[in-house]
Amino acid sequence: AQSVAQPEDQVNVAEGNPLTVKCTYSVSGNPYLFWYVQYPNRGLQFLLKYITGDNLVKGSYGFEAEFNKSQTSFHLKKPSALVSDSALYFCAVRDPTYNAGNNRKLIWGLGTSLAVNP
Amino acid sequence: GAVVSQHPSWVICKSGTSVKIECRSLDFQATTMFWYRQFPKQSLMLMATSNEGSKATYEQGVEKDKFLINHASLTLSTLTVTSAHPEDSSFYICSASPGPQPQHFGDGTRLSIL
Repeated sequence: AQSVAQPEDQVNVAEGNPLTVKCTYSVSGNPYLFWYVQYPNRGLQFLLKYITGDNLVKGSYGFEAEFNKSQTSFHLKKPSALVSDSALYFCAVRDPTYNAGNNRKLIWGLGTSLAVNP
Repeated sequence: GAVVSQHPSWVICKSGTSVKIECRSLDFQATTMFWYRQFPKQSLMLMATSNEGSKATYEQGVEKDKFLINHASLTLSTLTVTSAHPEDSSFYICSASPGPQPQHFGDGTRLSIL
């Protein structure tokens, strides 16, 4: 079955320190991977995606993610965390078995709450 | 670009009433929109795929008569929670995309049923 795992419910990091939010996936075929961020009482904002190409993907707000095929991981990283990065982060993978026209269903991780302490 | 607008952002109503939530793609056309439900501190649960001009595709366990979806135009999908009860209280989010990916999300609707 296709799935996404975010092993940490919460990550705490001090401002200025590097941060990592972990994501592993299980999907048939080549994965299309995504990271989204959600601030309180808001919808989700797209951060970055991996479709093909370089394993290191750069996205919005200084975030990047590294695709590791052998470890089936797509960890989100940032070299220096900001207090304003505190939010809920979701990893998702496109469901290769679901086709709704041009749009594909996403399979979501349970989310990781990131707290950046000043 | 690729802005999705959701309205209302917050609604409080009495048990038994029906509530309509709108999802609009402001600067692109969307033949498909997705409706999600999110419980506090939990992940997104896909409720249904809204298809322009045809019936919505509901996920297993989602009552189609309870959650009515209408996608009458290429820029508007509506979710109506019929005869809402307190257990329907939740955060509802829609998403759409001008192309295959990524999805763009509305800001969500907080529904509180008294």
